[in-house]
Amino acid sequence: DAKTTQPTSMDCAEGRAANLPCNHSTISGNEYVYWYRQIHSQGPQYIIHGLKNNETNEMASLIITEDRKSSTLILPHATLRDTAVYYCIVRPILRGAQKLVFGQGTRLTINP
Amino acid sequence: IAGITQAPTSQILAAGRRMTLRCTQDMRHNAMYWYRQDLGLGLRLIHYSNTAGTTGKGEVPDGYSVSRANTDDFPLTLASAVPSQTSVYFCASSLLAGGSNNEQFFGPGTRLTVL
Repeated sequence: DAKTTQPTSMDCAEGRAANLPCNHSTISGNEYVYWYRQIHSQGPQYIIHGLKNNETNEMASLIITEDRKSSTLILPHATLRDTAVYYCIVRPILRGAQKLVFGQGTRLTINP
Repeated sequence: IAGITQAPTSQILAAGRRMTLRCTQDMRHNAMYWYRQDLGLGLRLIHYSNTAGTTGKGEVPDGYSVSRANTDDFPLTLASAVPSQTSVYFCASSLLAGGSNNEQFFGPGTRLTVL
């Protein structure tokens, strides 16, 4: 799987948009970008994923650059409950179960 | 039940004892997974199952066994627990084993301490 690079930590004010970057410069054509988060003492939670087009769901938006070497997860109106570690994961489309390789992630703190 | 559940929430276990961690999902997902999470090591896959009746080894399977008798349940057994198996264990499931829309949904975890 392609390696990802994320900032160790970020801060964001409550109510503002939180923009979390991820570099995946070695991504292959058959690899998707997935985002998960883990709130303290809870299991990881799926947020969103995409291949090359920008994606949006009820939780967040995912912006992937045209060359697919980086992406940004956007939480449009961050709340205190969004404080968590956010993981950017790149994984291929394959048959059969695949492990998720969680790196160190970005620790996002939402401040009141 | 809604989603994926795990039991027990936490357990303290004497070394050498046998322990089964339970995992149940009601989403009719085909694939299920067991991970362990340790500080500084992230989540590591222990075992997985593509569909009922099949299982496979992940990256850290030694000391653990699983079974998948039906779609809903995927128990993880430690035959003879050792202190290095102290960890937080997460069960996960996904609708499909592969493909592009196989996001994994995680349970709340089991915190296991082996003394």
